[in-house]
Amino acid sequence: EIVLTQSPGILSLSPGERATLSCRASQSVSSDYLAWYQQIPGQAPRLLIHGASSRATGIPERFSGSGSGTDFTLTISGLEPEDSALYHCQQYARSPWTFGQGTKVEFK
Amino acid sequence: QVHLLQSGAEVKKPGSSVKVSCKASGDTFNTYTIAWVRQAPGEGLELMGRITPILGVVKYEQKFEGRVTITADKSTSSVYMELNSLNSEDTAVYFCARKARLGYYFDDWGQGTLVAVSS
Repeated sequence: EIVLTQSPGILSLSPGERATLSCRASQSVSSDYLAWYQQIPGQAPRLLIHGASSRATGIPERFSGSGSGTDFTLTISGLEPEDSALYHCQQYARSPWTFGQGTKVEFK
Repeated sequence: QVHLLQSGAEVKKPGSSVKVSCKASGDTFNTYTIAWVRQAPGEGLELMGRITPILGVVKYEQKFEGRVTITADKSTSSVYMELNSLNSEDTAVYFCARKARLGYYFDDWGQGTLVAVSS
C-alpha cells in the first residue's frame, strides 16, 4: 500500500499570501496519478487537481499542482478567505487507492 | 446539479448494522462507478469499496472485506452501503463519491452521512 504523508499539518497564513502544501508518497506514484481535494468544514471534498497538475472543471487558476515520483505540491497563489479548508491528496496509481491525512489551511 | 444525494444521520448501538443510501442521477447511476469513503473524526479519508451499477461489479477494500456490503437498486437509481458489527471506531462521516471517467479519482461527492456508534 502506498502511504501518503502530507505536510505541514496546519498552515497559518494571511489572505493574499502563497500556500505551499506537500504530499510525499512512500513509493513512486506512476503516471503522476495524484489528485488534490479541498474540504471546507461541514462539507464534502471537492476535486481540485488530477493527474498531479490538471485543474478540475471550474477550479480557479490560483490553484496549481506540480511534482512527480514521490513528491507532489499543491500551490495556492494569493489566498482568498474562502480557501480556509482541509486539503487532501490521493494516489490512484496502485490499488488500494489511498489518501493523505490532510493539511489544514487557516488564516492568522 | 446534484448528482449524489445521501440519506440522513444515524445513531447506532455497538454490534448493530447501518445501511446508508446514495441516490444518483440517472446518468451517474448508469455510467459511473460509485465508491464509499469514510472520514472518522480528526482523521483522513478512507476508501471502503466501490460498485459499478451497470455491470453489477463490486470490490471491497481488504480492511472492510466481510463486514461491508455495497449494492445497487436500478429501480431507484440508488447505491447502498451496509456496515455490520459496528463499534465505536466506525463513528464517522460516510461519503459516496463518483469515480471519474478517466482515472480512479473522484469528481463528485455526496453530502455525507454521519454515523455515530454509541451505547
